[in-house]
Parts: sequence; structure tokens; C-alpha cells
Amino acid sequence: NAGVTQTPKFQVLKTGQSMTLQCAQDMNHEYMSWYRQDPGMGLRLIHYSVGAGITDQGEVPNGYNVSRSTTEDFPLRLLSAAPSQTSVYFCASSYTPGQPQHFGDGTRLSIL
Amino acid sequence: QQPVQSPQAVILREGEDAVINCSSSKALYSVHWYRQKHGEAPVFLMILLKGGEQKGHEKISASFNEKKQQSSLYLTASQLSYSGTYFCGTDTGGYQKVTFGIGTKLQVIP
Repeated sequence: NAGVTQTPKFQVLKTGQSMTLQCAQDMNHEYMSWYRQDPGMGLRLIHYSVGAGITDQGEVPNGYNVSRSTTEDFPLRLLSAAPSQTSVYFCASSYTPGQPQHFGDGTRLSIL
Repeated sequence: QQPVQSPQAVILREGEDAVINCSSSKALYSVHWYRQKHGEAPVFLMILLKGGEQKGHEKISASFNEKKQQSSLYLTASQLSYSGTYFCGTDTGGYQKVTFGIGTKLQVIP
């Protein structure tokens, strides 16, 4: 049982490049979320999903796109990377509301 | 909207107690508590659902005052392993849209 798997673990991009951060879970969880973590800012919700085909915006959605075509996968896309998107990104999943969120190990993204 | 945590930082000696508070301006469906060590992912501690219950986990417990939209995390007889940043997360709509506070950095020293 792998839990929540995020790839890559580290990435360096140039401004304007695009990339997709992958998140996969094997626990049959319906609910999945993306957070970014910056020093002094805590964990900020980017996008979340309540099931396949259903996504919604969080607190800081600008510059990010998501889709949820399967229960297992919830990729996060940066269409045109900006230095302000340098951060640590965490994906989390849970079975139902009121249940614990399981976090992946994070992706450390630097944009030059 | 992010919940508000206090204090932002605290230093304890081993064996001392601490309380971390979390408050929201909106009615809450649930409150989530996590601990994160440097360079690692957040680790689940406990969840409290509306109803004013109190939960315990080893020497760590929490309460939830639904009317005041507040939760508190209690750490008793602190150990060195308790060091880390504690986050409270709140879900206001029951859709697992959980937003987190900026965290409370707790350091336990010998």
C-alpha cells in the first residue's frame, strides 16, 4: 500500500515553462487536495476535488489548473511558471469529510 | 478563510504543558490537527467534529467549542519528540475543503 505518491520530488523550472505535478493514491479516496507551503504562510489550499470529474478552487488557484479523470489521480498543472510559484507542493487525500487527510511527501519546486 | 492560530511560537522544557488555540470566523463542520517536522509532510493527530467533543491521543488531546468556533490542542508532559509545527485545519462546509492556519512552531528543550 503506497498511500499518496507525488512525483517528482524536486524540480527546477525556468520562468514561462509548463509542467505537471503528479499525485496518485491507491486508497480509493474520493477527496483529494493540493496545497502549497511557503515560509510563514502555512498550508494554502490551491484546488480540491470531491470525486472523479469534480474539482473546485481553493484559496490560491490562480496560475494552476487541475483535472480529475480517475479516482486515483489528481495532477496539478502550471501552464506558465512564475518565480512566485516557487514553493513546496503537497497533495492530500481522504475517504470522506471528517476523515484524516493523508499527505504525500511533497514536491519541491524552484522557478528561476 | 484561514483559521487563526495562537501562539505563533512557543518554547517548552521537557515535561511542561502547552495549549495551542485555533479560531474561525465561520461555523465549523470539523477541525483537523496536524504536526509537521522540518522537511517532512504533515502528520495527522486528530479530527474533531461539531458537537463539542474532546479527543485524546497519547498525551495530546483537543477540544472543540462549536458555539465559539474554536478548538484547542493540549500537550501535556511534553517530550522532545513533540517539537515541530502544529497546524489546525478547518472545514466549514463538510466537503473536506480544509484550510489551514499559519501554524504554531513548538520547540521542546531538555
